[in-house]
Amino acid sequence: AQSVTQLDSQVPVFEEAPVELRCNYSSSVSVYLFWYVQYPNQGLQLLLKYLSGSTLVKGINGFEAEFNKSQTSFHLRKPSVHISDTAEYFCAVSEKGGSYIPTFGRGTSLIVHP
Amino acid sequence: DGGITQSPKYLFRKEGQNVTLSCEQNLNHDAMYWYRQDPGQGLRLIYYSQIVNDFQKGDIAEGYSVSREKKESFPLTVTSAQKNPTAFYLCASETTGNTGELFFGEGSRLTVL
Repeated sequence: AQSVTQLDSQVPVFEEAPVELRCNYSSSVSVYLFWYVQYPNQGLQLLLKYLSGSTLVKGINGFEAEFNKSQTSFHLRKPSVHISDTAEYFCAVSEKGGSYIPTFGRGTSLIVHP
Repeated sequence: DGGITQSPKYLFRKEGQNVTLSCEQNLNHDAMYWYRQDPGQGLRLIYYSQIVNDFQKGDIAEGYSVSREKKESFPLTVTSAQKNPTAFYLCASETTGNTGELFFGEGSRLTVL
């Protein structure tokens, strides 16, 4: 079975600074990887996904992530954050050829300060 | 526009009462899910359904029940057997392609008084 670890529960950063939110996964088979964003009292919205092909994936709102198979990681990055990026971010993994039921990490709260 | 509608958005109930959360989708997706979200614990799977008239328990199914009589609808009942039901509940459906990519509703916040 797969598992996901988000290494930071909270990441404070100043506006216009770069940010990286870390995600590591564990699986015995090939995987699909996802990042979602959640604003307060709302559902989750897909930011980006890795299915196959290029390991650098670009998503909405200027975010990107890189799939690193050898390190089993899928870290999310943004070169310059805005106040509006303050939200909860979830990493998720599902197994190829399996049930496709995704497993979510515990989330990272990104707090952008002016 | 296609999407998932969860209702009610906020719900209060007294201990010992059952409550049903509605989830309706017009995306024509086959698979639907219910997750529970508590602060610092991420999303935990309660039940999922991959086709009509079939559903499976997730990791924390005790105290919950579901039905899937129509493709569009996947209601969740929180029963009085659920020991700590106060939480944010999220319904989702799986996009086509069998990758595990989910589309979420806006959530329902249940508070037990």
